[in-house]
Amino acid sequence: ILNVEQSPQSLHVQEGDSTNFTCSFPSSNFYALHWYRWETAKSPEALFVMTLNGDEKKKGRISATLNTKEGYSYLYIKGSQPEDSATYLCAPARNTPLVFGKGTRLSVIA
Amino acid sequence: KAGVTQTPRYLIKTRGQQVTLSCSPISGHRSVSWYQQTPGQGLQFLFEYFSETQRNKGNFPGRFSGRQFSNSRSEMNVSTLELGDSALYLCASSLGGTGSFEQFFGPGTRLTVL
Repeated sequence: ILNVEQSPQSLHVQEGDSTNFTCSFPSSNFYALHWYRWETAKSPEALFVMTLNGDEKKKGRISATLNTKEGYSYLYIKGSQPEDSATYLCAPARNTPLVFGKGTRLSVIA
Repeated sequence: KAGVTQTPRYLIKTRGQQVTLSCSPISGHRSVSWYQQTPGQGLQFLFEYFSETQRNKGNFPGRFSGRQFSNSRSEMNVSTLELGDSALYLCASSLGGTGSFEQFFGPGTRLTVL
């Protein structure tokens, strides 16, 4: 069973602040790493799927990096906006279904 | 392109009853996965179906079962409901299996067991 750790559990930032979260996972038999954003009363929405060590992906103000050798990924949000408030989930995959972390709940205060 | 749909959206049942939830994937997607989300827990994987075959199963009791039809629609069944089964049940579809394929989630079915 994959042990996926996300930190911090929750985060409160002011509008305009930049922030980052961590996802840690076992590095053995790595296949892919998914990041999802889950807003209240909505469905989880895919942000990134990353497969290669050293991968960096970007979508607007959100970016992510991946280190498969040491088993971690960082998600960065630049200039946080209230609409970024959500729970951010990571999910590594081996040749098995996705195993989700418990997420980081981000609250952006205007 | 229509997204993933789930029916019903809300459901109230009593202990001992059974329930069937339905999920229609995005057209062309052959993989459907089911997840349970309870307060304080992350998304817990239930099972995955691909081309009508259960390909993976999570660590849930046999009361939880599912199936997939030839049109890729999937159903999940929970028999002999327990209070602890109260949860949000999400399904997600993808083009291929899990792994490098992005998953698209439905709105979920909120099940309350009284």
